[in-house]
Amino acid sequence: DAGVTQSPTHLIKTRGQHVTLRCSPISGHKSVSWYQQVLGQGPQFIFQYYEKEERGRGNFPDRFSARQFPNYSSELNVNALLLGDSALYLCASSLQGRLGRGGREETQYFGPGTRLLVL
Amino acid sequence: AQKVTQAQTEISVVEKEDVTLDCVYETRDTTYYLFWYKQPPSGELVFLIRRNSFDEQNEISGRYSWNFQKSTSSFNFTITASQVVDSAVYFCALSERDAGNMLTFGGGTRLMVKP
Repeated sequence: DAGVTQSPTHLIKTRGQHVTLRCSPISGHKSVSWYQQVLGQGPQFIFQYYEKEERGRGNFPDRFSARQFPNYSSELNVNALLLGDSALYLCASSLQGRLGRGGREETQYFGPGTRLLVL
Repeated sequence: AQKVTQAQTEISVVEKEDVTLDCVYETRDTTYYLFWYKQPPSGELVFLIRRNSFDEQNEISGRYSWNFQKSTSSFNFTITASQVVDSAVYFCALSERDAGNMLTFGGGTRLMVKP
């Protein structure tokens, strides 16, 4: 089975531009989450979508937005790029949108990420 | 608010040595979930283990073992007889009951296993 896929793999932008990152979850998975990982740090939660509705938002400015499509794929948009937005952007998918007793349906599987460089 | 601390930023061992990666967490929730992920140089996070707060049983999987101690808010990860392929960055993460499946990650520990 195909894992989580993300596109593009690498991206170079200049300050002030906007960017759209894409994520395709594992087939059947309805939850998609986005994380930002700055070099040398742990990933930070940006958004969670489940069944096309926003279920959670991290501490990021309004320049960051996302959406989930009927096929459960997702886009992350960042406007007015800053140098500090340079990072690895990770997408994760899971069957369920919340944690409970456990099981594979609750496990989040991550994609390879998109490396964004803002100059 | 929840927090995860991995005090060891970098560990270097020689192959076949045992190594323990420390993880300390903070949460006000009585129900929470703890995770370990491995991040090889390719960047993709690989799920290793999950522990529920209501299940304190420790777990062993091959050369990997995890020690969950609620009394000290720790969830440590031990690799026995380390191998070069274990070289990666390891992240401990926490999720609270009403947080969807949002993960709060620690800063990570870079493990280097030398031949």
